[in-house]
Amino acid sequence: DTGVSQNPRHKITKRGQNVTFRCDPISEHNRLYWYRQTLGQGPEFLTYFQNEAQLEKSRLLSDRFSAERPKGSFSTLEIQRTEQGDSAMYLCASSPGQPSTDTQYFGPGTRLTVL
Amino acid sequence: AQSVTQLGSHVSVSEGALVLLRCNYSSSVPPYLFWYVQYPNQGLQLLLKYTTGATLVKGINGFEAEFKKSETSFHLTKPSAHMSDAAEYFCAVSDGRGSTLGRLYFGRGTQLTVWP
Repeated sequence: DTGVSQNPRHKITKRGQNVTFRCDPISEHNRLYWYRQTLGQGPEFLTYFQNEAQLEKSRLLSDRFSAERPKGSFSTLEIQRTEQGDSAMYLCASSPGQPSTDTQYFGPGTRLTVL
Repeated sequence: AQSVTQLGSHVSVSEGALVLLRCNYSSSVPPYLFWYVQYPNQGLQLLLKYTTGATLVKGINGFEAEFKKSETSFHLTKPSAHMSDAAEYFCAVSDGRGSTLGRLYFGRGTQLTVWP
């Protein structure tokens, strides 16, 4: 058990560029969550996968955002035409069992800076 | 809808002093409550959680929290602070019992500083 990993850890991009982040959950965790954390705030829910199915998307997730989990293992989060307001820490978490009671294990996050 | 309020964005204590971090929640269903800690450049780590049963919950590193339904509170305490406790602490409530989603709603966090 190596924990949840996220890559890259840091990303600096220019406004208008596309970026993609990757999350590798703990193996055999079938639930995967994406959150966004801005400075001075707690993490905010973006989206949720159970296996490969994306079951919930927050209103925070505009049309420029897309997430996938093609084989029910790793997940990617893509942001198209980035804006300065997208600058944040993007956190991924995974959990194994009953959704509401199971612990969510968080990765170290990807910090995005949009210039 | 679920929400969390953490009173005090910054708390400072001396080493060896009591740590008290406050959390109040709002939930339309019986809540599941969590405390996470975040050290610089690291992900969130679970300290403790309340789901059902005993309302006094013990976690890692000597922390504990008590679920008080009448006060809608879940305050985090530690009898004696250690320098290594300096970090940011987040209280969270989940979608609650019966939910198939399990998303977490976080407070804004409390930065704990421990003075020598």
